[in-house]
Amino acid sequence: GENVEQHPSTLSVQEGDSAVIKCTYSDSASNYFPWYKQELGKRPQLIIDIRSNVGEKKDQRIAVTLNKTAKHFSLHITETQPEDSAVYFCAASIGDNNNDMRFGAGTRLTVKP
Amino acid sequence: DGGITQSPKYLFRKEGQNVTLSCEQNLNHDAMYWYRQDPGQGLRLIYYSQIVNDFQKGDIAEGYSVSREKKESFPLTVTSAQKNPTAFYLCASRETGHRISTDTQYFGPGTRLTVL
Repeated sequence: GENVEQHPSTLSVQEGDSAVIKCTYSDSASNYFPWYKQELGKRPQLIIDIRSNVGEKKDQRIAVTLNKTAKHFSLHITETQPEDSAVYFCAASIGDNNNDMRFGAGTRLTVKP
Repeated sequence: DGGITQSPKYLFRKEGQNVTLSCEQNLNHDAMYWYRQDPGQGLRLIYYSQIVNDFQKGDIAEGYSVSREKKESFPLTVTSAQKNPTAFYLCASRETGHRISTDTQYFGPGTRLTVL
């Protein structure tokens, strides 16, 4: 079946440093790629998304890049803060009208003060 | 995503019992989803529904059942046939249509099910 792989599974950075999380997908028809942040015991929250007709999108300290040819996309967090500590999930749309979604296994980001 | 609610927050089940998890949304979304999350893993799709009275199996539907009698509600039943049901269950909804904003899934707060 369609698959999304996410790396690394854990990431520890010093406050103020940048963090990068990478995902690859297998379905060439995927055209929507959201990123979710999940704090412990809470619901996943959408933090940024990108569509296949765009190569990069930025929202303050968060940016996402997409390489359709290579089928990979990445999340970049700059000037990290302790409150950025959470699990981050990437996802890729599947199927007609993006009815379905495949999620990566998640990256646990720890920002050390 | 504040318009999606799940209950209960915590649920304990004895082996051999069926339990039903509630998911309600007041966002007027057509599509609804159930995911299972195990520790250190991503979200795996159990069932989804694009419209009332219609639903499709996801990757791990065995041992689960759903119904979609109302647009606002998409309950999930964990049956005794599910051999390892202890997990965090997340419900999500999505507006469908042709507008660009309709691809995002919004999640409920989750139900943590524990089998005793």
